[in-house]
Order: sequence, then structure tokens, then C-alpha cells
Amino acid sequence: AQKVTQAQTEISVVEKEDVTLDCVYETRDTTYYLFWYKQPPSGELVFLIRRNSFDEQNEISGRYSWNFQKSTSSFNFTITASQVVDSAVYFCAYEKGTGANNLFFGTGTRLTVIP
Amino acid sequence: KAGVTQTPRYLIKTRGQQVTLSCSPISGHRSVSWYQQTPGQGLQFLFEYFSETQRNKGNFPGRFSGRQFSNSRSEMNVSTLELGDSALYLCASSSQPGDTDTQYFGPGTRLTVL
Repeated sequence: AQKVTQAQTEISVVEKEDVTLDCVYETRDTTYYLFWYKQPPSGELVFLIRRNSFDEQNEISGRYSWNFQKSTSSFNFTITASQVVDSAVYFCAYEKGTGANNLFFGTGTRLTVIP
Repeated sequence: KAGVTQTPRYLIKTRGQQVTLSCSPISGHRSVSWYQQTPGQGLQFLFEYFSETQRNKGNFPGRFSGRQFSNSRSEMNVSTLELGDSALYLCASSSQPGDTDTQYFGPGTRLTVL
């Protein structure tokens, strides 16, 4: 069965520091998708990125970057120059095939950015 | 464009009661999915509806049910509430089922069962 592990339960950083959120997954599938979501205090999940298993290119979007390494089954998320607005719970998720029923979430990492 | 709306935002019930939660998707979206978020089990898929039909259901007991109306609005119902049903219930909408990269989530309904 698929499994997503976010070992970091809570992280605190001072504003402007860089922070990396770890995500490790287990699977025997060859085709799958990996996601990151942000859940601010308001509650809704905000989609950040989806990568498919055949695309190991790192991605950068503003202060956000993602490092996907199949060799270590990891899909880590780095926030550069963190800001207070980055404070949220971040979820890594795995999707086999397509469909909400195939979407499995990690337990989340609560990030607190201290001004 | 208005986002996904969920009502009510907060709800307090007692064991044994039943509850109905509502979700209005983004205009034009016809697929609605529901998730339960608890501290112990994390985020888990509940149901997925498209064109008034339940396409998928997660591993939840029959006390959890749902439906979708012709205007794509969806409701979920939990009967005979248990303490463990206390959770944040999130609804997400997308144009088509399976569009997990373009599904938008609502703010959730926080249900507390006493």
C-alpha cells in the first residue's frame, strides 16, 4: 500500500530563514502523482504543486521550490526567505492513478514563522 | 468567481444525533469530493460525486452518506453521531472527476460531537 511520511510534525523558523519540509513516500507503483498543499488557519487546503512520477525536474515558483528524487522516494519542499504568511500546515500527498479516492495525505507539518 | 462555500462553518452536536453538512461548488464545477480531517487519522477521502452520482466512497461506515443535486451542490449526512466523528469536514470541487490538481477546497465545517 502507498504511504506518505512527513516526519517533521512542527517546525519553527525566524522570518527570512529558509526552511525545508520533508516528504517521503512508499510505493510499488510506477505511475503516480505527488502533491503539496498548504492549509492556513482559515482551514481550506490550497493546492501548491503536482508532479508525476516521470518528471523528476525540480521546480521553482517564486520563493517555493520542490525537489523530487525517485532514488530516495522523496519530494521535499523548500521555502526561501520565509515570511509570516507562510505559517500554515503543509501536507504532502500521493495519488495513484487519478481521482480523489486515490489521494492519500501525509500527516502534515505545521510551520510557524516567527517575526 | 466565488470559491467553494460550506455551511455551517461550525456545528456542535451530541452523540446519537444526526447532522447534515452542505457544500456549494465553484460555479461551473460539477464534481464534488468530501474529506474528513481528524488529528488521529489525518485527511481521509469520504465521497466523490459527479452529475448527481456517487462515483467513489472511502472506507467509512454506512452512517456516512451524501448526495448531489442537479445544481451540483452537495450534502453529506452523518447519522447516529459518535465522539470520533468530531472532525473538520472539507469539500472540494473541480470541473471533472479526477481533476485533483485543479480541485478547490472550501474552508470546511468543524463538527464537534459531545
